[in-house]
Amino acid sequence: QKEVEQDPGPLSVPEGAIVSLNCTYSNSAFQYFMWYRQYSRKGPELLMYTYSSGNKEDGRFTAQVDKSSKYISLFIRDSQPSDSATYLCAMSRYSSASKIIFGSGTRLSIRP
Amino acid sequence: DTAVSQTPKYLVTQMGNDKSIKCEQNLGHDTMYWYKQDSKKFLKIMFSYNNKELIINETVPNRFSPKSPDKAHLNLHINSLELGDSAVYFCASSQDWGRDRGAGIYGYTFGSGTRLTVV
Repeated sequence: QKEVEQDPGPLSVPEGAIVSLNCTYSNSAFQYFMWYRQYSRKGPELLMYTYSSGNKEDGRFTAQVDKSSKYISLFIRDSQPSDSATYLCAMSRYSSASKIIFGSGTRLSIRP
Repeated sequence: DTAVSQTPKYLVTQMGNDKSIKCEQNLGHDTMYWYKQDSKKFLKIMFSYNNKELIINETVPNRFSPKSPDKAHLNLHINSLELGDSAVYFCASSQDWGRDRGAGIYGYTFGSGTRLTVV
């Protein structure tokens, strides 16, 4: 079993829809949770991070962590074609940038 | 001003050859990494260096050898290339290895990747 599981998609939604992306994990020691966005032929870029359980909001993006269920989510409101990318969840045991474990990514396509 | 730059972007080579990929970061970060991303987009860490010292060395064939001449550079040399080595290799850097900053986390800054194809 992989430490981090993520549905690879692809997920296709119309512009303006609310998108929900999810990951589950098995290691209860993870405390720091991140979402990266990767455009085609580019490196991943950090989108959001959260610590422990709870929600964090940044513009159209909301990250949620439920440690009791070992489940994290990323919500995108008012989705735009420019949001089309692969979204990778990632997690780490420590706050300093140590070994980060990535999910396999969900490919998202926003239809105009 | 590219923060993390890798060269080459594309590399096509025959089985059995030896090749190198170079990475440089101008962010002043202390730690650099090599990740391998397979065809299913799964990113897996290979190596990590902090101030030129190897700190993470995952289960990687010893045909792969990282070298860090200084903390701004981390190169990857691959001997006797095999078909299964075909992947995208990403270099990344980060700050503050080993120091707990509470709820803060810096994550990684990635390069654009080197697409290696072994034929």
